[in-house]
Amino acid sequence: AQSVTQLDSHVSVSEGTPVLLRCNYSSSYSPSLFWYVQHPNKGLQLLLKYTSAATLVKGINGFEAEFKKSETSFHLTKPSAHMSDAAEYFCVVSNTGGFKTIFGAGTRLFVKA
Amino acid sequence: EAQVTQNPRYLITVTGKKLTVTCSQNMNHEYMSWYRQDPGLGLRQIYYSMNVEVTDKGDVPEGYKVSRKEKRNFPLILESPSPNQTSLYFCASSLGGELQETQYFGPGTRLLVL
Repeated sequence: AQSVTQLDSHVSVSEGTPVLLRCNYSSSYSPSLFWYVQHPNKGLQLLLKYTSAATLVKGINGFEAEFKKSETSFHLTKPSAHMSDAAEYFCVVSNTGGFKTIFGAGTRLFVKA
Repeated sequence: EAQVTQNPRYLITVTGKKLTVTCSQNMNHEYMSWYRQDPGLGLRQIYYSMNVEVTDKGDVPEGYKVSRKEKRNFPLILESPSPNQTSLYFCASSLGGELQETQYFGPGTRLLVL
């Protein structure tokens, strides 16, 4: 069975400061892990994905995530937040082939000027 | 333009009146899926399809039906909608198969059941 826990429902940062969105997962096999972003009243867009290649994954807009198997974590980071990063972020786990997909509950990121 | 389209985008209906939400993709993707999004719960998978005539239940299939008669289309059917199906619905598609699981999402359908 798979599950995803996003540890913070809301995160607030100031513009220009680092962003950390935390995600823990459980899976009975090697999972594929994703981060998606949803801007207000918009659809979902892929930020990055991990599929058992490099453990540090770089995505779009300066985001990256590190897969840590020992900690079953896949935290999302960005060195410097921008106002346009304000959105909801979802950590996602899927089985090989991506058929069964589990979303975390989401973390809403607020960026203060 | 590669895209996933959903119709309608907004729908208000009454309890028990059958409705269909259409989903179409133009990327020749094998895999398609339906999700519902509710506050505080993220997206939950309703049904998915690995190819034409091949569908399976996700985590919240009760009250929904799907069919996959053509590769590009994956309609979601609510035979007898109830107020607890008021939600935001997303269709998604992907190439499928290992290392090809990136899903492309439609714009969403906001459904209100009175």
